[in-house]
Amino acid sequence: KQEVTQIPAALSVPEGENLVLNCSFTDSAIYNLQWFRQDPGKGLTSLLLIQSSQREQTSGRLNASLDKSSGRSTLYIAASQPGDSATYLCAVRPGFGNEKLTFGTGTRLTIIP
Amino acid sequence: DAGVIQSPRHEVTEMGQEVTLRCKPISGHDYLFWYRQTMMRGLELLIYFNNNVPIDDSGMPEDRFSAKMPNASFSTLKIQPSEPRDSAVYFCASSFSFGVGPETQYFGPGTRLLVL
Repeated sequence: KQEVTQIPAALSVPEGENLVLNCSFTDSAIYNLQWFRQDPGKGLTSLLLIQSSQREQTSGRLNASLDKSSGRSTLYIAASQPGDSATYLCAVRPGFGNEKLTFGTGTRLTIIP
Repeated sequence: DAGVIQSPRHEVTEMGQEVTLRCKPISGHDYLFWYRQTMMRGLELLIYFNNNVPIDDSGMPEDRFSAKMPNASFSTLKIQPSEPRDSAVYFCASSFSFGVGPETQYFGPGTRLLVL
């Protein structure tokens, strides 16, 4: 059974700093991995999706990397802003034709102005 | 597009009552997902549909839960009878699958359910 872990559960950093969020998964046979953001009381918003054949994806100040063989992904946020404060979740999809995502427990990020 | 629409946004009910949650996916999407989120268990997939057909309901906790998708633009998740341990936020999400290409799930705002 796939297990997805995100450590730390919470992180606080001063505004302007670069930061890295971690995601690890136990079964490397994945189809893709997604990073989501969840604001309090809201649904999830997809940030980046990395296919299993890709090493990284970038969107603005966000960069997600994937090392499938080691079961790890990172989300790099450059020049953090207070608006980046949210909970960040990663989710893995097991295979083509299987849409069942397994989510990590999330990292609650607070950017201190 | 207005995104995934869920109703109601909040629901408070008493134990034993029937609860119906509703979802309208994004037009043109062929997959629909129901999730439950709690502090203890995180985000769990309950069931998902493809072209209105249930594909995997292995996450449905027990027979008290049922889900339907009568057409491409509407789905319901029903709990009958409800219990306090069903209190959670229920999310609906939809996605469009175009062959081997990438697809992203779009989430609704959720229904916050409290069973007293």
